Amino acid sequence: QKEVEQNSGPLSVPEGAIASLNCTYSDRGSQSFFWYRQYSGKSPELIMSIYSNGDKEDGRFTAQLNKASQYVSLLIRDSQPSDSATYLCAVNTYNSGGSNYKLTFGKGTLLTVNP
Amino acid sequence: DTGVSQDPRHKITKRGQNVTFRCDPISEHNRLYWYRQTLGQGPEFLTYFQNEAQLEKSRLLSDRFSAERPKGSFSTLEIQRTEQGDSAMYLCASSPITGITEAFFGQGTRLTVV
Repeated sequence: QKEVEQNSGPLSVPEGAIASLNCTYSDRGSQSFFWYRQYSGKSPELIMSIYSNGDKEDGRFTAQLNKASQYVSLLIRDSQPSDSATYLCAVNTYNSGGSNYKLTFGKGTLLTVNP
Repeated sequence: DTGVSQDPRHKITKRGQNVTFRCDPISEHNRLYWYRQTLGQGPEFLTYFQNEAQLEKSRLLSDRFSAERPKGSFSTLEIQRTEQGDSAMYLCASSPITGITEAFFGQGTRLTVV
């Protein structure tokens, strides 16, 4: 069973702080990694993608990937109340036929940013 | 707006009835996915299409579920003889044909079986 694990939280941070969200995955063959943001009652929204080891920055968001440790993280700097949402980690996984077009999601981490 | 579109947004049905949902992907995207999400869980893969071909179907999907994408454009997901356990958000996503699986979701269809 190929799994993606996230701490379900809730993770509570004060406004202006750095929020750190973590994810581990079991499929060593995975090559693409994504973070989605999901507001309550809404559908997931893609916010970051990362494919190579290291850091990738986009505005207040930084994604970090360590394939050796099978670990992906998302840092949100200067957290705002509007960042309060569930953050889903998604990883492409291979099926038995060898294609990797499917995304496997973690259960998500609920982030609350307190004003 | 050229994003992924799903219809209906909400559906309430009685147990035992059949329901059908529609998904219109982003026009240049060849891959289309169906996921199901229940409260407190991440999206769970159901099936995916590349053009009109259904290339993978989750073993979790019972025979009551069927999906089609007849002309490689829109897709339908049908659930026959609905059960209360089918109550969930049904999400459709699409992605381009390139190897990178950056997928974009529609608004979802929330199904309630009473």
